[in-house]
Amino acid sequence: GAGVSQSPSNKVTEKGKDVELRCDPISGHTALYWYRQSLGQGLEFLIYFQGNSAPDKSGLPSDRFSAERTGGSVSTLTIQRTQQEDSAVYLCASSLAGVMNTGELFFGEGSRLTVL
Amino acid sequence: DAKTTQPTSMDCAEGRAANLPCNHSTISGNEYVYWYRQIHSQGPQYIIHGLKNNETNEMASLIITEDRKSSTLILPHATLRDTAVYYCIVRVIGGTSYGKLTFGQGTILTVHP
Repeated sequence: GAGVSQSPSNKVTEKGKDVELRCDPISGHTALYWYRQSLGQGLEFLIYFQGNSAPDKSGLPSDRFSAERTGGSVSTLTIQRTQQEDSAVYLCASSLAGVMNTGELFFGEGSRLTVL
Repeated sequence: DAKTTQPTSMDCAEGRAANLPCNHSTISGNEYVYWYRQIHSQGPQYIIHGLKNNETNEMASLIITEDRKSSTLILPHATLRDTAVYYCIVRVIGGTSYGKLTFGQGTILTVHP
């Protein structure tokens, strides 16, 4: 598609279960970012990928959170042993280049995670 | 990246210009000013960016003061669909900052009929 695609759009899970969130960036975009937005809060940076490597993982809140990117394209954010405080909208964004990025990030619609 | 300060909320009448201010008094010479907006239940959307000259595109105009310590985003003819949270962000292009954007709380703009 033309934009950043995320799936699932909504996920309800029970506390303690693992979840995987998928992001399909715009074709040709080498940089990929994950953010999350808790209810009524601002956007919180999680991780940045340039190609398949992640030079900045500084925003991952705990070791229960991990992400990978394969083939320089699709990325998966995995949350293990989910907790209620993980409930949020997880947003993925992509851009044309990393180091010389001009600041135009293209965001998906997000995956809304609810942990019961 | 420099910190920005924006009003928490603003109102605007439909059809009028919406002028959204942003203070970035600690901005450094190589930092750009960016504006994004987030309409309810959607991902953020890029609007415009600039370094020191005023910029205009099909969505908005960006006016940056000569000392670069503040800027104003102008939506010339606001519509109800412009109701959103508007984020002003300053960042360096390139270097070690990659494309990472640090979002503050933004300004909630409400356009009313």
